[in-house]
Amino acid sequence: NAGVMQNPRHLVRRRGQEARLRCSPMKGHSHVYWYRQLPEEGLKFMVYLQKENIIDESGMPKERFSAEFPKEGPSILRIQQVVRGDSAAYFCASSPAGTANEKLFFGSGTQLSVL
Amino acid sequence: GNSVTQMEGPVTLSEEAFLTINCTYTATGYPSLFWYVQYPGEGLQLLLKATKADDKGSNKGFEATYRKETTSFHLEKGSVQVSDSAVYFCALIEDYKLSFGAGTTVTVRA
Repeated sequence: NAGVMQNPRHLVRRRGQEARLRCSPMKGHSHVYWYRQLPEEGLKFMVYLQKENIIDESGMPKERFSAEFPKEGPSILRIQQVVRGDSAAYFCASSPAGTANEKLFFGSGTQLSVL
Repeated sequence: GNSVTQMEGPVTLSEEAFLTINCTYTATGYPSLFWYVQYPGEGLQLLLKATKADDKGSNKGFEATYRKETTSFHLEKGSVQVSDSAVYFCALIEDYKLSFGAGTTVTVRA
């Protein structure tokens, strides 16, 4: 049973380009969460999704950021027109239900660097 | 809002040394508290948790006690090994949202 898979592990973009980060949850998990870790800070909640639904996006910037979790395929975190301040580690987690407990698992993260 | 403050690193220890990582929190109510660990190249893993005051979470020789009076959840291990080298995160939960500390990098030397 593979864990939460995130790709790519490292992503380099120039200012103004688009970044797409992918997250495949664990088998049987229908809840996905995205967190962002800025340098020298803890992980911050961004968005919580179930299949085809955004449940809570209160932690996501209002502009340039979007997330989806389609019926088929991975969850995608999309950042348009990236700026240097978007450089961070982005972590995805999944669970079979909407709670954080022993059944919440994290991926290894995507390190986004904006030049 | 809720927040977590943990001891800054990095921390470097010799094998068999005693490890303490301090963690304090600010929260409305009494949230569940967690310690996560991230080994090199891997995702965060739940190390231990406590759900109410005076609960002690323990796993792999690590312990932490939920102290309501001092709003703390310090992580301790009596004798560390090289394999304990990792980044440790203290966290609390509100509904499904985790609030994390900045992480403490621990390096254990043989």
